[in-house]
Amino acid sequence: GNSVTQMEGPVTLSEEAFLTINCTYTATGYPSLFWYVQYPGEGLQLLLKATKADDKGSNKGFEATYRKETTSFHLEKGSVQVSDSAVYFCALRPLTGGGNKLTFGTGTQLKVEL
Amino acid sequence: GAVVSQHPSRVICKSGTSVKIECRSLDFQATTMFWYRQFPKQSLMLMATSNEGSKATYEQGVEKDKFLINHASLTLSTLTVTSAHPEDSSFYICSASNRGVNTDTQYFGPGTRLTVL
Repeated sequence: GNSVTQMEGPVTLSEEAFLTINCTYTATGYPSLFWYVQYPGEGLQLLLKATKADDKGSNKGFEATYRKETTSFHLEKGSVQVSDSAVYFCALRPLTGGGNKLTFGTGTQLKVEL
Repeated sequence: GAVVSQHPSRVICKSGTSVKIECRSLDFQATTMFWYRQFPKQSLMLMATSNEGSKATYEQGVEKDKFLINHASLTLSTLTVTSAHPEDSSFYICSASNRGVNTDTQYFGPGTRLTVL
């Protein structure tokens, strides 16, 4: 079946530090890949996505590249801010057979300190 | 952007009672809505998928008689937890998709914290 594995948190960084949150997946074929962010007290918001191998999704300074050879979709940001503190979820949607269902990772909490 | 609301945001109830949670798409028509359950420090677990005007499709292991889902209109879906017990305490999240099953982004509500005493 489909699955998503994320690095465990919490991840604590100083402001302006470089961020990497690892995400690997297991799926048949070529799923679409997503990063969602959940700020405290709010619902999940789509941060970025990629739908095919070697695609790079980007938004608000965050980037992730769809790596088919390593089945990975790691999230990166060059310089984090306190306002980036949130929980980040990696997710996949199968190309066929799954409808619009998403399979999520367990989430990684990011804390950014001054 | 597309906004999804949930009501209530928090609810506390006694064991044996039923609780209804509403999920509304505020500025778009949601042909498909999803209900998730999230345990502390765990992933979102899909409970069921509902399409407007038809019966919900439940994931394996989810009791459909316990978690009643109704998607009566293109902007409203409800989840009713019947005869709730303490083990039903959890964070329930809905999402909505507005362009059909295979194509579009899911927009998430802020979630409902259910505590059963």
